[in-house]
Amino acid sequence: EVQLLESGGGLVQPGGSLRLSCAASGFTFSSYVMNWVRQAPGKGLERVSGIIGSGGSTYYADSVKGRFTISRDNSKNTLWLQMNSLRADDTAIYYCAKFSATESTTDTFDIWGQGTTVTVSS
Amino acid sequence: EIVMTQSPATLSVSPGERAILSCRASQSVSSKLAWYQQKPGQAPRLLIYGASTRATGIPARFSGSGSGTEFTLTINSLQSEDFAVYHCQQYNNWPVTFGQGTKVEIK
Repeated sequence: EVQLLESGGGLVQPGGSLRLSCAASGFTFSSYVMNWVRQAPGKGLERVSGIIGSGGSTYYADSVKGRFTISRDNSKNTLWLQMNSLRADDTAIYYCAKFSATESTTDTFDIWGQGTTVTVSS
Repeated sequence: EIVMTQSPATLSVSPGERAILSCRASQSVSSKLAWYQQKPGQAPRLLIYGASTRATGIPARFSGSGSGTEFTLTINSLQSEDFAVYHCQQYNNWPVTFGQGTKVEIK
């Protein structure tokens, strides 16, 4: 079964850090662009970061550039998102999501994790 | 980046009726438009890609149409499990972008 399982969310003070993890199973992890998509309370979806299969190229939304770092370990089928200098407007559910096709720079998201909640508050 | 605008924000429909949701792109995205369904407390699920192709396992009562900048998701004979939020997403241009969602609620 194809599955993504996130962990690492929680409550953090403004300016603090968190590291999210996403464990993948059931597909050839190294072949796909992997992404982090977030949803703030009552808001739409926002792709905040993506990383190609080899890990050699990454994408960041302007809203997180310079503060978040995406990485992956294909030997462990794991994706991470290191979040630093967190702000109140980073409060959201963070989903790990897979692009549908290999070798895509733009695509649909065919598999999603269940999400992990990040709350930034003092 | 391309801005996706969905309307209406909320749609009230009775079970068994038809729901028509709209999504507009700020510039042409060809047919690279996807729709997702999101139920409370769940992750989004891919419904439609290529503007009109249903994803695996999606019932035929869901249909998508449109190209360029104007797109429609039609849900025929709404079932209880169809009441949810629906998101559109363009993947023609980098970066991919989403609309703000349309909530389909029970009338």
